[in-house]
Amino acid sequence: DTGVSQNPRHKITKRGQNVTFRCDPISEHNRLYWYRQTLGQGPEFLTYFQNEAQLEKSRLLSDRFSAERPKGSFSTLEIQRTEQGDSAMYLCASSLGTGYAQPQHFGDGTRLSIL
Amino acid sequence: DQQVKQNSPSLSVQEGRISILNCDYTNSMFDYFLWYKKYPAEGPTFLISISSIKDKNEDGRFTVFLNKSAKHLSLHIVPSQPGDSAVYFCAARADQTSYDKVIFGPGTSLSVIP
Repeated sequence: DTGVSQNPRHKITKRGQNVTFRCDPISEHNRLYWYRQTLGQGPEFLTYFQNEAQLEKSRLLSDRFSAERPKGSFSTLEIQRTEQGDSAMYLCASSLGTGYAQPQHFGDGTRLSIL
Repeated sequence: DQQVKQNSPSLSVQEGRISILNCDYTNSMFDYFLWYKKYPAEGPTFLISISSIKDKNEDGRFTVFLNKSAKHLSLHIVPSQPGDSAVYFCAARADQTSYDKVIFGPGTSLSVIP
C-alpha cells in the first residue's frame, strides 16, 4: 500500500498526558500537512511542511503542539499536557508540489480521546 | 467566520437520480476548488477539482459547476449509486501563498437510497 499511513489509529489518554502521532506520506510527496477534524466540521489546517521545513502554523496550533519532519520523510505531531478540547481526529495529508494545485492525499487519521 | 459553507448538512436521494451538493464561499481570492468524499473511519479522498478560470469540469458521473459571480459551486452526481453514500467536503485554495493550503467546508452527508 503506497498511501498515506498514520499511527496509531486510536489513542486514548488521560488529561495532562503527552501524546505523539506519526504520519508516513506517499514517498515522492514533498509537501505534508496536518489537519484536525471535530464532529460535524471539515478538516482544519494545523501546519504544513515543504520537505523538512515547517512553513506555516495555524493559530489553532497552540504552544502545546509541535510538529517535526526530520529528513523530509515521515512527520510527528506531539501534543503536550493534553486537554479535553484536544479530542479530535488528527489527519495527515501529502501532496507533490509542482507549482500548481495538486490534490492532497489523506491518511485515515488518528482519533484522540482525552479522558 | 467560515469562508467555505455547505449549508445542507445532509441530503437523501434515490438510486439512479441526480445528487446535487452545493457550496458557497466568501473569499474572492480563492482560485481553485476541490471536492473530497469521506467514508466513515477513513480519511477524505479527492474526487474532482475545478480552476477558477473554468465554469465546469466533468469526470465520469461527477460534474462540478462554478459560478464565480455568485461565489457558488455545486457537485452533480448522475446517476447516484448507493456506494456514493458518504460525507462530501467542498474545499477551496487561495492563491496567496506558494503552497496548497486549502480551506474545507463542514461537509454534506449524502445518502443514496436503493
